Amino acid sequence: GAVVSQHPSRVICKSGTSVKIECRSLDFQATTMFWYRQFPKQSLMLMATSNEGSKATYEQGVEKDKFLINHASLTLSTLTVTSAHPEDSSFYICSARSGGLAFFGQGTRLTVV
Amino acid sequence: DQQVKQNSPSLSVQEGRISILNCDYTNSMFDYFLWYKKYPAEGPTFLISISSIKDKNEDGRFTVFLNKSAKHLSLHIVPSQPGDSAVYFCAAKDTGNQFYFGTGTSLTVIP
Repeated sequence: GAVVSQHPSRVICKSGTSVKIECRSLDFQATTMFWYRQFPKQSLMLMATSNEGSKATYEQGVEKDKFLINHASLTLSTLTVTSAHPEDSSFYICSARSGGLAFFGQGTRLTVV
Repeated sequence: DQQVKQNSPSLSVQEGRISILNCDYTNSMFDYFLWYKKYPAEGPTFLISISSIKDKNEDGRFTVFLNKSAKHLSLHIVPSQPGDSAVYFCAAKDTGNQFYFGTGTSLTVIP
């Protein structure tokens, strides 16, 4: 099946700093990628839809200035958590669609201290 | 508003027995349903799917059943193995290609 690679798998950063998470589709082109956030014991929450060459579409309640998304190419989308705070600590997962299925990256565990 | 619901947060099953994971949905326009398996600190991986025009799809030890009238689907794993222990997410896709996920069911298969 299609492969989506996400990096880094885990990151610890200081409060107030920014963290960039990369999501790559390795064997297919993805004009659209999705960023999810998972809280403990909760479902995947869609944060935004990343569109290649255009602005991302954010879900209600998600701060676009805090969670910067860039989809510069057909195989790469990045999520930058700016001025991170402890409440941003979470598990972030990207996804891309291929053949009607959603394929997920490995996820990134972000811990803000 | 949760359009896909998994009402059982956890399930424990003895090795070799059948595991049945349930999922309910509210939107009759969903045209495709999927099950994903997720290990801790990893992204979900696709397991099995079913189109809304079918009522059963089988792949090895995994079978998904769809009851459209009840807006209910289930995943059967038989025989269950310890390696099946994971969180299972039910997902539904609408005609706009938007995916909706349930809250997950944590399956523990006891050796």
